[in-house]
Amino acid sequence: AQSVSQHNHHVILSEAASLELGCNYSYGGTVNLFWYVQYPGQHLQLLLKYFSGDPLVKGIKGFEAEFIKSKFSFNLRKPSVQWSDTAEYFCAVTGSGYSTLTFGKGTMLLVSP
Amino acid sequence: DAGVTQSPTHLIKTRGQQVTLRCSPKSGHDTVSWYQQALGQGPQFIFQYYEEEERQRGNFPDRFSGHQFPNYSSELNVNALLLGDSALYLCASSLDGFERRTEAFFGQGTRLTVV
Repeated sequence: AQSVSQHNHHVILSEAASLELGCNYSYGGTVNLFWYVQYPGQHLQLLLKYFSGDPLVKGIKGFEAEFIKSKFSFNLRKPSVQWSDTAEYFCAVTGSGYSTLTFGKGTMLLVSP
Repeated sequence: DAGVTQSPTHLIKTRGQQVTLRCSPKSGHDTVSWYQQALGQGPQFIFQYYEEEERQRGNFPDRFSGHQFPNYSSELNVNALLLGDSALYLCASSLDGFERRTEAFFGQGTRLTVV
């Protein structure tokens, strides 16, 4: 069975600090990888996705993620966070079956102005 | 273009009762998945509907059932509610695609509280 592990449950940063959120997955086959964000009071939105090709993926709002197959990792990064990035971030994976997502437990990011 | 819409937004039920949650997928999408998100947890997959059939199911008891209509909208039914069923229920729609390389769009969810 697939599983996703997110390293930090809560992260607190000051504006302009750099961000890296860890994500590791467990799955033996080909995977599709996603980062979703949930802003306060809003629905889950896709930040970025990896299906194949260049392992460095760029998403919306300046976020990027790198797929490292040998480490089963898909870490999310942003060089300089803003107060508006305060949200909960979820890493998710789909396997070779149907397009059902397995999510990590999420990381709550709080950015102080 | 309407996204995924869910109703109701909030619901309070008593233990033992039954509940029905509704979802309209994003225009053009044919696949609907349901997820349960307990407080402090990531969403957990309940089941997926495609062509009006349950195509895949997660680790949830038979008290959880669903339906998909010809217009692709879907319902989630939960019978004999338990306190532990209190959660945010999310509906996601997608377009069935080659090698399942599809992106899921989520609704805002239905917050179910069982008392």
